[in-house]
Amino acid sequence: DIVMTQSPDSLAVSLGERATINCKSSQSVFYSSTSKNYLAWYQQKTGQPPSLLIYWASTRESGVPDRFSGSGSGTDFTLTISSLQAEDVAVYYCQQYYSTPYTFGQGTKLEIK
Amino acid sequence: QVQLQESGPGLVTPSETLSLTCTVSDDSIPYYYWSWIRQPPGKGLEWIAYIYYSGFTKYNPSLESRVTISIDTSKNQFSLTLSSVTAADTAVYYCARQPYCSGERCPLDPWGQGTLVTVSS
Repeated sequence: DIVMTQSPDSLAVSLGERATINCKSSQSVFYSSTSKNYLAWYQQKTGQPPSLLIYWASTRESGVPDRFSGSGSGTDFTLTISSLQAEDVAVYYCQQYYSTPYTFGQGTKLEIK
Repeated sequence: QVQLQESGPGLVTPSETLSLTCTVSDDSIPYYYWSWIRQPPGKGLEWIAYIYYSGFTKYNPSLESRVTISIDTSKNQFSLTLSSVTAADTAVYYCARQPYCSGERCPLDPWGQGTLVTVSS
């Protein structure tokens, strides 16, 4: 199985400031024949199901604010929220869909400082 | 916008079989892969299995011996059964669609609201 490790486990950021969450996979999730990284980011607010934010490591899902961006390739990825809003308080998960079993990071809890 | 709704018993007795159904609000079953995922209370996410309308399936090896996923395109539904449950199977169970596929490789979106299944006598 591909192990996904996120850092930090929790993060407190002031409103309007940048938040950065890292995700590392135990093996590359880049498929050379498609030139794609099979990496997604999800946001889970309290009491709600996860919601897709980013796929192919950097493609923003329709309707997701442009303050959310994804970057990285191979084994190292980053989710950045450029200017934190109150509604961004949530747990964020990365997930690889390069191979089954699909696996998730342990989650990063994002709070307001 | 498509909606997914999980249904099934909220309480299952240890050693029995858990059965859940996901109902899809539109006729998109034939065009996507469909997954089940679970989340124990206060913990992270575990992918369980996916199915394609043709009946092609993939399972998480950690659960494969106890899990069956099936699909009924006429009812816009797909289902999960998990046998020989224990307290460790207590979780919120989600169903999800898989768009933006590259072959069988797809993220998960959208997700159903989830249903809490408690395993207890």
